[in-house]
Amino acid sequence: RKEVEQDPGPFNVPEGATVAFNCTYSNSASQSFFWYRQDCRKEPKLLMSVYSSGNEDGRFTAQLNRASQYISLLIRDSKLSDSATYLCVVTPRPGGASKIIFGSGTRLSIRP
Amino acid sequence: ETGVTQTPRHLVMGMTNKKSLKCEQHLGHNAMYWYKQSAKKPLELMFVYNFKEQTENNSVPSRFSPECPNSSHLFLHLHTLQPEDSALYLCASSQDPNVNTGELFFGEGSRLTVL
Repeated sequence: RKEVEQDPGPFNVPEGATVAFNCTYSNSASQSFFWYRQDCRKEPKLLMSVYSSGNEDGRFTAQLNRASQYISLLIRDSKLSDSATYLCVVTPRPGGASKIIFGSGTRLSIRP
Repeated sequence: ETGVTQTPRHLVMGMTNKKSLKCEQHLGHNAMYWYKQSAKKPLELMFVYNFKEQTENNSVPSRFSPECPNSSHLFLHLHTLQPEDSALYLCASSQDPNVNTGELFFGEGSRLTVL
């Protein structure tokens, strides 16, 4: 089993729709969780951290489910500019970049 | 625009060539990294430098040779590469070498094609 698994997509949804995707992780000792966004032919950028209590940033909501070992990202009222690949990132424990595990990414395409 | 700049953005080289990728960060960070991104695969960490000392070498073949002359500059020297080394090579930096916040700042990458 991969350490971090994501549905590669693509998710193709109309503008204004709500879309959600999950990321599962295998190490139950994982401590920190993040979503990065990578536009086509660009570098990854931190979108948001994922806290145990869940957190929201505008149209984006991130949730953590430790019991089932997954994190989720919900995007409401999707915009064309949301089209990108979303990378799930998990750190098993603090202690260096080698502990940061990236998922392969979920590709999202918003159509007009 | 970006605090981490990489050159060249695109590179095509033969298997017998020697070339170098350059990365410069303008953020005053203490740690710098090389990642490899291949199509449909997760980012693979290659090397880590903290305060210009190499702290991680993720079993990278010796045909890749990193160099970190100071905290702001990082190079990746390439020699006798294989076609399967074709990928996007991303440089990143972080303020905290332990990256507890999870935030890495990436450059736009150098897209390498090995013929």
